[in-house]
Amino acid sequence: QSALTQPASVSGSPGQSITISCTGTSSDVGGYNSVSWYQQHPGKAPKLMIYDVSKRPSGVSNRFSGSKSGNTASLTISGLQAEEEADYYCSSYTSSSTYVFGTGTKVTVL
Amino acid sequence: QVQLVESGGGVVQPGGSLRLSCTASGLTFSKHGMHWVRQAPGKGLEWVTFIRYDGSNKYYADSVKGRFTISRDDSKNTVYLQMNSLRAEDTAVYYCAKDKGTTAYDIWGQGTMVTVSS
Repeated sequence: QSALTQPASVSGSPGQSITISCTGTSSDVGGYNSVSWYQQHPGKAPKLMIYDVSKRPSGVSNRFSGSKSGNTASLTISGLQAEEEADYYCSSYTSSSTYVFGTGTKVTVL
Repeated sequence: QVQLVESGGGVVQPGGSLRLSCTASGLTFSKHGMHWVRQAPGKGLEWVTFIRYDGSNKYYADSVKGRFTISRDDSKNTVYLQMNSLRAEDTAVYYCAKDKGTTAYDIWGQGTMVTVSS
């Protein structure tokens, strides 16, 4: 149950687009369309942003999008805004019927 | 509105036990699987355990298997996490989260802090 690999940090200027990667194996990310993404502000509970690789829950901005290729999933934030400075985590279902999170990425808005 | 509220956190000595509770409101609790997720201070999220909507199956992370037990009482809209043989590395904020039915966690509680220290 090794954590999925994410870059430690990603930064961008307001209005720019950024992409966060999430790399696993064929036993998790690559094997299922069960990747989800979470936004977490300091001291707060995580918030679901994307599920089933690319679906957005009601109320989440359409500037958030998800995709997957092979064993790597990606979260793209377009038109980056100051309030989107936060930590982001991916998660995947695994072949062991368990779940695994990514290592987390700190997004900084310059 | 849908809400999850955790309770039961606190300070416990290594080797001790603690039971966390998570009470749901605003939803038909018996229709949903539930997870526990933890976050050590300054660290990332770690999935801990999951119980299916009907309690028929339970799954655990290797790090807690044999020490932690998840259960539910639908009459009380509550999911529990019994934690035994606690270690310093179990120190974390523990969140309960509702399963969306698609292997995602769509509703989270505010978390409860567990500190394992002598």
